[in-house]
This record gives sequence, structure tokens and C-alpha cells, in this order.
Amino acid sequence: DAGVTQSPTHLIKTRGQQVTLRCSPKSGHDTVSWYQQALGQGPQFIFQYYEEEERQRGNFPDRFSGHQFPNYSSELNVNALLLGDSALYLCASSLDPGVNYGYTFGSGTRLTVV
Amino acid sequence: SQKIEQNSEALNIQEGKTATLTCNYTNYSPAYLQWYRQDPGRGPVFLLLIRENEKEKRKERLKVTFDTTLKQSLFHITASQPADSATYLCALASNTGGFKTIFGAGTRLFVKA
Repeated sequence: DAGVTQSPTHLIKTRGQQVTLRCSPKSGHDTVSWYQQALGQGPQFIFQYYEEEERQRGNFPDRFSGHQFPNYSSELNVNALLLGDSALYLCASSLDPGVNYGYTFGSGTRLTVV
Repeated sequence: SQKIEQNSEALNIQEGKTATLTCNYTNYSPAYLQWYRQDPGRGPVFLLLIRENEKEKRKERLKVTFDTTLKQSLFHITASQPADSATYLCALASNTGGFKTIFGAGTRLFVKA
């Protein structure tokens, strides 16, 4: 049973460009949350998707947007990339609301903005 | 604002001893508290969850306590092993609007053989 799959694993982009990261949740999970983790820091909550809608959002600008598809997979889009967007982006899936068994995380996408 | 504090300094202990990690929080009333393990370059792995009405939860060599008065959780690893070396993250979730889960910065644990 595959866990959470994220692609790509690594990505290098130039300032001002746009990027799309993808996530396939664990089989049976219907909720996807995205986190940004800078080096040496804990994961910071970006937003959560459930039933194809953004249910909650953290303190991230509108440059960060997302989508959830009918098969529960999700995308994270970041526009107008800044150097400070360089981080590990983690996708976590759960069976809504996700507080009985915790989240299952993918291994992340390492984004470097140059 | 909501804040989660974990020891920023690494914890070094000898194999076989009990490791105790602390998680303190402010301006928050979590319904659930979780602990995760994270190895370098990998995503966090869920270990234990404790609810606000529970005082203690155990799983094999792991024990978590949750004191909502002190706003603190303690995470214990008994009979620690070098393989337990990792960063341990505390995470809180409220029961409002979708159980958004927020994480602390984590504590790095080193277990020496």
C-alpha cells in the first residue's frame, strides 16, 4: 500500500518563475494538507484541502494556491517565486479530520529558488 | 499569537537511558497533541496522539503526557537506542474548522552507543 507520493523530489527555479508541486495521498485518505519547512524549522501550515475545497489556510500570501482533484490528489502552486520560498514542501494526507491517526507525510519536494 | 516551544538545543543521551523531550504551548487550546519523528531529508512520521481529556498515552517504549493546566506535553523514550536518534516534533490541533495542525520546531535527539 503506497503512502503519500510527492513529485518532483527536487526542483530548482529562478526568482519570478512559477512552480507546481504534486501530491498523491495515501490510499483511503481524503484530506490533503501542505506544509513548508525551512531548514532547522518545523513545518509551517500552508493550507488544507477537503472535498476539493480549501478548508483552512495558514499565514501565506495569495502567491500560494492549491487544488484538489476528485481522486483526492492535490497540487500546490507558487507564483512569482522569491528566494525565501526555498524550502522543503511537505504534503500530508489523512482521513478527515485526521486527528485519530495523525497525518501521513510524503518525503517532500525540495525547492531551491536562485 | 499561538506558539509552540520545544527545546532548540539538541539532547544527547547514552544508550539505554530514558530521553525526555518537552513541548510547551501558549495562546492555544488544543483538543489533540501529536508527536512525530523526522529523519534528515524525510517527511515526519506519526508516533502518538493524545487527547485533551487524556493524561498519559503509551506505545511500546514511548510515553506521552499532556497537562492542559501547565500547557505542556512530555515525550519519553525508554531504553533509548542509537536508532532513536532523530528530530522529534510536537504538533497541536484544535477542533475548530478542520483541525488545522501546527508544529513546533522540533528537538534533535542523539543517542550514543
